[in-house]
Amino acid sequence: QVQVVESGGGLVKPGGSLRLSCAASGFTFSDYYMTWIRQTPGKGLEWVSYISGSGSTIYHADSVKGRFTISRDNAKNSLYLQMNSLRAEDTAMYYCAREYLNWFDPWGQGTLVTVSS
Amino acid sequence: DIQMTQSPSSLSASVGDRVTITCRASQTISSYLNWYQQKPGKAPKLLIYGASSLQSGVPSRFSGSGSGTDFTLTISSLQPEDFATYYCQQSYSSPRTFGQGSKVEIK
Repeated sequence: QVQVVESGGGLVKPGGSLRLSCAASGFTFSDYYMTWIRQTPGKGLEWVSYISGSGSTIYHADSVKGRFTISRDNAKNSLYLQMNSLRAEDTAMYYCAREYLNWFDPWGQGTLVTVSS
Repeated sequence: DIQMTQSPSSLSASVGDRVTITCRASQTISSYLNWYQQKPGKAPKLLIYGASSLQSGVPSRFSGSGSGTDFTLTISSLQPEDFATYYCQQSYSSPRTFGQGSKVEIK
């Protein structure tokens, strides 16, 4: 079945780095935009980054621009989010999702990132 | 960025009730509006896309309507498994943005 599974979250100190991964299965990965979305109790759902199927088009939200980098390896059916210079406000559940036409489906189960000293 | 505003933020309802949640966009988004359901500890799940199209497998008691700036999600007869938080999301332009959520609780 069509699914995505995130990994790589954890506890990191402010200023530290973390790399999230998302493994996709059940669909032709290279045909689809892929997205990272995060959720916090205070700010709700925030679209963080997306990348086109070929990797040629990338977007990062202003809140993470210059610190986060989205990438993909189509041979491995995998999506990544390299997060540097992490701040307390980056603490969130991070979801990987396929952008199918104009909506997000499916979503992964999420991976929790906690930035704290 | 397009701002999405949902109302109410929370509501209490009983099994069998008709429930309506509204979502307003800060500018016109045609029909580029999606609805998601999220249960505690789970990821959001697509319910409605393109303002009114029901995702495969979603019960027909869910429906969506609207275009332009004003949209509605309706649950015709609330079931126990429908108690959750519902989010709207616009896909008209980047960045994609979400409403703040509407929590449906048991009365």
